[in-house]
Amino acid sequence: EDQVTQSPEALRLQEGESSSLNCSYTVSGLRGLFWYRQDPGKGPEFLFTLYSAGEEKEKERLKATLTKKESFLHITAPKPEDSATYLCAVSGDYKLSFGAGTTVTVRA
Amino acid sequence: EAGVTQFPSHSVIEKGQTVTLRCDPISGHDNLYWYRRVMGKEIKFLLHFVKESKQDESGMPNNRFLAERTGGTYSTLKVQPAELEDSGVYFCASSPSSLEAFFGQGTRLTVV
Repeated sequence: EDQVTQSPEALRLQEGESSSLNCSYTVSGLRGLFWYRQDPGKGPEFLFTLYSAGEEKEKERLKATLTKKESFLHITAPKPEDSATYLCAVSGDYKLSFGAGTTVTVRA
Repeated sequence: EAGVTQFPSHSVIEKGQTVTLRCDPISGHDNLYWYRRVMGKEIKFLLHFVKESKQDESGMPNNRFLAERTGGTYSTLKVQPAELEDSGVYFCASSPSSLEAFFGQGTRLTVV
């Protein structure tokens, strides 16, 4: 069974203070690793898909990287609007297995 | 382009009653998924449609849950009769390619 573990559970940052979120995974035959952002009361919002080790993707202040065992989501110079829960998910076939998420709070 | 739309956004029902959740996927997306998050747990897969056919319903908790997808368009998830442990947030997602999935805002179901 696919497994995803995210750390830390919560992260409090000062505006401009860069940090990284970790996603460790086990999956039989990775088809893709996905990062989502979720705001309170909303559904997960798609951010990135990573397909193979060594791949990197960027979007504004976010950068996702992938190794054979884990993925990192780097937040560079965060702003208060980056506050959200960030979810990692893996897919070995067509369904997603999610981690519990990391809740990021960025203070002005 | 409209995203995935779910109705209702909230539902409070009594134990033993029936509830039907609806999902309208992104137009043209053949793949439709239902997921659920119960309190304190991760989002979990329930089932997967390709067009109107059920591809995998291995995540459905029991036979009180019935999902349909009419004509390969919108989908409904019926819970009958509802139990307390069915409370949670039900998410629908759609995908053109069975890779990236785009989620709706969810339906929060509370069974009292």
